[in-house]
Amino acid sequence: QKEVEQNSGPLSVPEGAIASLNCTYSDRGSQSFFWYRQYSGKSPELIMFIYSNGDKEDGRFTAQLNKASQYVSLLIRDSQPSDSATYLCASRAYKYIFGTGTRLKVLA
Amino acid sequence: SAVISQKPSRDICQRGTSLTIQCQVDSQVTMMFWYRQQPGQSLTLIATANQGSEATYESGFVIDKFPISRPNLTFSTLTVSNMSPEDSSIYLCSAYSGVQETQYFGPGTRLLVL
Repeated sequence: QKEVEQNSGPLSVPEGAIASLNCTYSDRGSQSFFWYRQYSGKSPELIMFIYSNGDKEDGRFTAQLNKASQYVSLLIRDSQPSDSATYLCASRAYKYIFGTGTRLKVLA
Repeated sequence: SAVISQKPSRDICQRGTSLTIQCQVDSQVTMMFWYRQQPGQSLTLIATANQGSEATYESGFVIDKFPISRPNLTFSTLTVSNMSPEDSSIYLCSAYSGVQETQYFGPGTRLLVL
């Protein structure tokens, strides 16, 4: 059973801090990785995707991939209360596999 | 990114009836998927909607219960048949763009079965 695992949280961080969200995957054949943000009552929204080892930055978001450790992370700098949501990690080999999500709470 | 619409956005249905959910994408996409999401849970893939052929269902989902159509590259429907309260959930359509190699989601259909 191929899996993507995330800590369900909630992860609470103060406003302005860095939020670090982590994800591990079991399928070594996974080629690409995605982070989605889902607000309560809304559908998932793609934030970032990453294919290569290392870091990928987009504004306040940085995705990190370590294929040797089968580990993906998402860093959110200068966290805002509006970042409070559930963050879903997904991997793709021949199909998408989603994690159960980490609930982030940014405290004002 | 692909823009996806779904109809209806929500519905309340009686046990034993069927509901068809429509999904429209604003551009041609390689693949379309149907997911279910129970409150507080992650996404469960129901099936891949294949254009011009039968959908590919995941374990635990069958065509008689969830018939799917995909008549062209921008449109798909999912029918939830002979509904029971256990079918109450959010049903999400998604589209995969081969060019961008990313998957985008529609706004979802919130279904309550009484």
